[in-house]
Formats: sequence, C-alpha cells, structure tokens
Amino acid sequence: AQSVTQLDSHVSVSEGTPVLLRCNYSSSYSPSLFWYVQHPNKGLQLLLKYTSAATLVKGINGFEAEFKKSETSFHLTKPSAHMSDAAEYFCVVSDYPLVGGSYIPTFGRGTSLIVHP
Amino acid sequence: EPEVTQTPSHQVTQMGQEVILRCVPISNHLYFYWYRQILGQKVEFLVSFYNNEISEKSEIFDDQFSVERPDGSNFTLKIRSTKLEDSAMYFCASSDMGYNEQFFGPGTRLTVL
Repeated sequence: AQSVTQLDSHVSVSEGTPVLLRCNYSSSYSPSLFWYVQHPNKGLQLLLKYTSAATLVKGINGFEAEFKKSETSFHLTKPSAHMSDAAEYFCVVSDYPLVGGSYIPTFGRGTSLIVHP
Repeated sequence: EPEVTQTPSHQVTQMGQEVILRCVPISNHLYFYWYRQILGQKVEFLVSFYNNEISEKSEIFDDQFSVERPDGSNFTLKIRSTKLEDSAMYFCASSDMGYNEQFFGPGTRLTVL
C-alpha cells in the first residue's frame, strides 16, 4: 500500500526567499515519486520525478527535491521564490506494479504556495 | 509541445442526467487515465485504460462510470446518471509507458445541480 502526506496545506514566503514544501511517503516497494504543480485553471504539470536513480533530483524552474529513504521524505525546495511560483503543489507516490499494469499514483492533498512581493 | 486537451472546460448538468467528458491524449501515448478532484480535496484516481480495455480502476469507478476510446484520438468518461456528489474537476492524463510520468489535461469542471 502507498500513501503520501504533505505536511503543510499552505506555505507563505516572500519573493527571493527559499521555498520548502514537505512531503512524506509510505510505500511497500521502491517507489517512484513526483512533484506536480497546478496553476489556477490549468492542468497538472510535472516539476520533477525520482525513479531510483540519483537521490537529488533537479526539475524545471529551479526546483529540486531530495529522496531520503531513511526519513521517507521527498521535500521540494527552491533557493529563491518568484511570484510566478505561486500555485498548488502536489507530491505523488507510485509503487511499481506487481504484475504488469500501470503505475497508479497516490496524490497528496496539495500545498498552496503563496509568494508575497 | 504536445499536450492533453479536454472539453468542455465547464459542464453544468441536472442530477440524473448523463454526461460525457472528452479528452484528447498526446498522440503517441498508449496509457490513458481519469482522475477527479472534489473541491478542497485531493486528486483521486478513477481508472486507467490500455490496449482498449480498463487496466485498473478505483472503488470510486462504479457502474455509473464508463470509459471509451471511440476513435484513434479521443478518450471519454461517461457518467450515466449524475449525482450531486459527482461535482468535481475531472482530469484526463496520458503516458507513453505505464511507468513514465503522466501528462495531464487542464480539467473539466463538472457541476451537478
């Protein structure tokens, strides 16, 4: 069974300051982990993914995330927030399917990132 | 850049009516998915579709729901008799392989009155 917990429903930062969006996961096997971003009235866009390669994953728009198996965490960070980063962020976990099939992801509840000028 | 498209962007219907939500996945993708997001809640998986059949479905995807790929480009979700609780944002997604990331459409907001 898999689950994901996003520890903050809202994160508020000032433009130019670091961003930290926290995510903890539970997975029976070696999971794939993703961060998606959703801007208002837009679809979900993939920011980055971890699929058992390097533990530090770099994504688009300056975001990165580190997979820490011992802490079962996959926190999303960015050194300097921009106004355009204001959006909803979803952490997603997906177990490798036992027999064929598709990766069925489980979404976290989302974290709303608010960026103040 | 190829993208997943969905129509309509907003659908309003009366309780008990049938609705069909339409999606055009990315053209070379083989795996298709539907998700829903009730306002204020998390995104929930409904169903995955591969090789013209359902490969996985969640408990939410009961007999009121069906999916179809009527031609080479469209992927539809039908709700036979809508309930108030079906009001949600419905997202379509596609991927080239089952283990690769999914590309999401912008969603259809369904409002059941």
